[in-house]
Amino acid sequence: DSGVTQTPKHLITATGQRVTLRCSPRSGDLSVYWYQQSLDQGLQFLIQYYNGEERAKGNILERFSAQQFPDLHSELNLSSLELGDSALYFCASSAVGVGGELFFGEGSRLTVL
Amino acid sequence: SQQGEEDPQALSIQEGENATMNCSYKTSINNLQWYRQNSGRGLVHLILIRSNEREKHSGRLRVTLDTSKKSSSLLITASRAADTASYFCATDNNDYKLSFGAGTTVTVRA
Repeated sequence: DSGVTQTPKHLITATGQRVTLRCSPRSGDLSVYWYQQSLDQGLQFLIQYYNGEERAKGNILERFSAQQFPDLHSELNLSSLELGDSALYFCASSAVGVGGELFFGEGSRLTVL
Repeated sequence: SQQGEEDPQALSIQEGENATMNCSYKTSINNLQWYRQNSGRGLVHLILIRSNEREKHSGRLRVTLDTSKKSSSLLITASRAADTASYFCATDNNDYKLSFGAGTTVTVRA
């Protein structure tokens, strides 16, 4: 058990809908990372927060947004969903802002029909 | 875009044999990390090697880093069925993100 909690584990929704994925980092970790894993794109970095502030942005679509709250949990919002958004979404946390090992949650599997 | 590229894409070995996989990357790094992922599960950190280190060991794992060739290798000795997983290298470029390669799928046959 990595100590990182992601909910929901599975989510099935329709095109055009909006979903929110939630992540609770390991106790004491200030950094939260979001990754998307799909068969054809591999593990893609989306965004990183450190103590509530956005630190780095990857190939995150404009339809996607995220935030980290004062209690350090994070949410990833996906809107106007398309079939191609079907993927595993991972949250990971780290004790440091840069250069440390990441602890991954078990992921949220999103299926868009 | 991915920074690291693993080679081979897939590897099948007999239990007890060694497994070696390689990772090449494009730009200078702060450190390089290896992770394991069992099917559909979260990634698990295995080992971190800093840019000023050349070799590191952890149990049955041995990692080497050659910054002049921008490459790293992961050796798993005396493999077990439980080692069946995908293995990813990830590079830290001191830019607040960890960039992962496409991974090597390792199958250990009993």
